[in-house]
Amino acid sequence: AQSVTQPDIHITVSEGASLELRCNYSYGATPYLFWYVQSPGQGLQLLLKYFSGDTLVQGIKGFEAEFKRSQSSFNLRKPSVHWSDVAEYFCAVGSSGTYKYIFGTGTRLKVLA
Amino acid sequence: DVKVTQSSRYLVKRTGEKVFLECVQDMDHENMFWYRQDPGLGLRLIYFSYDVKMKEKGDIPEGYSVSREKKERFSLILESASTNQTSMYLCASRTGEFYYGYTFGSGTRLTVV
Repeated sequence: AQSVTQPDIHITVSEGASLELRCNYSYGATPYLFWYVQSPGQGLQLLLKYFSGDTLVQGIKGFEAEFKRSQSSFNLRKPSVHWSDVAEYFCAVGSSGTYKYIFGTGTRLKVLA
Repeated sequence: DVKVTQSSRYLVKRTGEKVFLECVQDMDHENMFWYRQDPGLGLRLIYFSYDVKMKEKGDIPEGYSVSREKKERFSLILESASTNQTSMYLCASRTGEFYYGYTFGSGTRLTVV
């Protein structure tokens, strides 16, 4: 079955600390992978995406993610977290020929001053 | 800047009412989607449309219908609102190229009393 797992429901980090949010997927076809961010009370904004080429992709707001096919993972990272990064983060997977993406259940990030 | 606009940020409706949620995009996108978002469940696809007047059921279509008479507008209809339809509703659109990712609206928080 196709699925996306974000094993951490909540993560708390101190401002200035590094961040890694985990995403694992199970998908039959070659995946297109996405990370979205949802600030409180807002819709989702695309942070970055991967569909081919370099497995380390850069996104907006200083985020990056690395695709590891052998581990079926697409983890999101940021070297230094800012208080404005407080949000919920969603990983999603899709592929060519399928209209819909499958979303994970999200990871809520809290930042300590 | 490209936009997906949802007509209402907050709605309160009574049980049994017919409810219309409107979504308009200005990007000439072929594909449009309605998701609902609930805590712990992530995003679940209700319906999507890949062209004008074309629609397909998503994962949870029961109790909902949709309309797409023009390319830029995709409406979600709750035929007879119930309290279990209280949720955040997110509209998204995408070009026909699957790897581009969705553009989301800001969401409509619907409360059915």
